[in-house]
Amino acid sequence: QAVVTQEPSLTVSPGGTVTLTCGSSTGAVTSGHYPYWFQQKPGQAPRTLIYDTSNKHSWTPARFSGSLLGGKAALTLSGAQPEDEAEYYCLLSYSGARQVFGGGTKLTVL
Amino acid sequence: QVQLVQSGAEVKKPGASVKVSCKASGYTFTSYDINWVRQATGQGLEWMGWMNPNSGNTGYAQKFQGRVTMTRNTSISTAYMELSSLRSEDTAVYYCITGTTGFDYWGQGTLVTVSS
Repeated sequence: QAVVTQEPSLTVSPGGTVTLTCGSSTGAVTSGHYPYWFQQKPGQAPRTLIYDTSNKHSWTPARFSGSLLGGKAALTLSGAQPEDEAEYYCLLSYSGARQVFGGGTKLTVL
Repeated sequence: QVQLVQSGAEVKKPGASVKVSCKASGYTFTSYDINWVRQATGQGLEWMGWMNPNSGNTGYAQKFQGRVTMTRNTSISTAYMELSSLRSEDTAVYYCITGTTGFDYWGQGTLVTVSS
């Protein structure tokens, strides 16, 4: 089974910009992996931020954006807010409709 | 609005089975796939499988093949996830998820504790 990798932790200053990445052990991540990004705060269920690489839901703050970058899926946060401190997970789709989560990135806003 | 309400917490002994329900409202139940994901305490998310509520077709992660069964009752807009041969490592919060993309709306989660 494929392994999906994320940075274990990242720190961003309030108002700053940070990019989280999501790689695949099978090679470059493409739009065909339909990358998702989820945000989870302690004690809460995850919330979907991005689907199909770069699409946002109505509830996704405008400061979040998704893309493909250097063979990986990327989530960029521009203008970080204290409330953005959370765990972020990516999800990739593989053949046979199999889905694999990354291990998560703990984002600290400090 | 789309809402998924899951059944309450369960405590099971090793070797037993657990069946978690997920009642959908706010949309046509058969329109969107339902995915199941679990999360052990302090750990990451783990995808378990999906079900098409219209056809009943399913697809399971290799890790759970032979131990998990996903079903539905369309008359009450409810999906079920049954996990058998439970072991301590199955202690986790189990989530159902649905939506046009398959992962838009999350249930509140069901804690399943496996302990002797």
